[in-house]
Amino acid sequence: AQSVTQPDIHITVSEGASLELRCNYSYGATPYLFWYVQSPGQGLQLLLKYFSGDTLVQGIKGFEAEFKRSQSSFNLRKPSVHWSDAAEYFCAVGDYNFNKFYFGSGTKLNVKP
Amino acid sequence: GAVVSQHPSRVICKSGTSVKIECRSLDFQATTMFWYRQFPKQSLMLMATSNEGSKATYEQGVEKDKFLINHASLTLSTLTVTSAHPEDSSFYICSARDSGKETQYFGPGTRLLVL
Repeated sequence: AQSVTQPDIHITVSEGASLELRCNYSYGATPYLFWYVQSPGQGLQLLLKYFSGDTLVQGIKGFEAEFKRSQSSFNLRKPSVHWSDAAEYFCAVGDYNFNKFYFGSGTKLNVKP
Repeated sequence: GAVVSQHPSRVICKSGTSVKIECRSLDFQATTMFWYRQFPKQSLMLMATSNEGSKATYEQGVEKDKFLINHASLTLSTLTVTSAHPEDSSFYICSARDSGKETQYFGPGTRLLVL
């Protein structure tokens, strides 16, 4: 069965520190992987996506993610966090025609000044 | 980038009434739109897939007679919560698939509160 696991419910980092949000997936075929960010009371904004090719993908706002097939992971990283990055982050896996999206439970990021 | 709007952003209604939520793709045509529900502090759960000109496909456990979906044009899908009850209170988010792009674009969501 398809599933996405985000093991960290809450993460707090200091402004300027590096960030890594974990995502593990279970999917029977080649996964199409996404990271979205949601600010309070808002919809989801696409940060980046992976379909094929280079396993390190660059996204908006300085985020990047690395696909590791052997570990079934797609972790999100940012070298230096800004206070405006505080939000909830969702990892998702999509099916081959981008209809069925399975979302993780989300990781809420707090940024300390 | 692609923009998806939802209206209203927030609605409060009495128990037993029906509420309609609109989802529009503003700068692209969407043959397929999706409706999600998000409970507080939880992830998004897909409710149904809406295809322009045809009946929606509902996920298991979602009552199609309670959540009526209409996708009458390539830029508009509507979700009507019929005879709403307090347990229907939630955050409803739509998304639209741009045929030329391999992803879904999400609307800002509609907060429904049923009293």
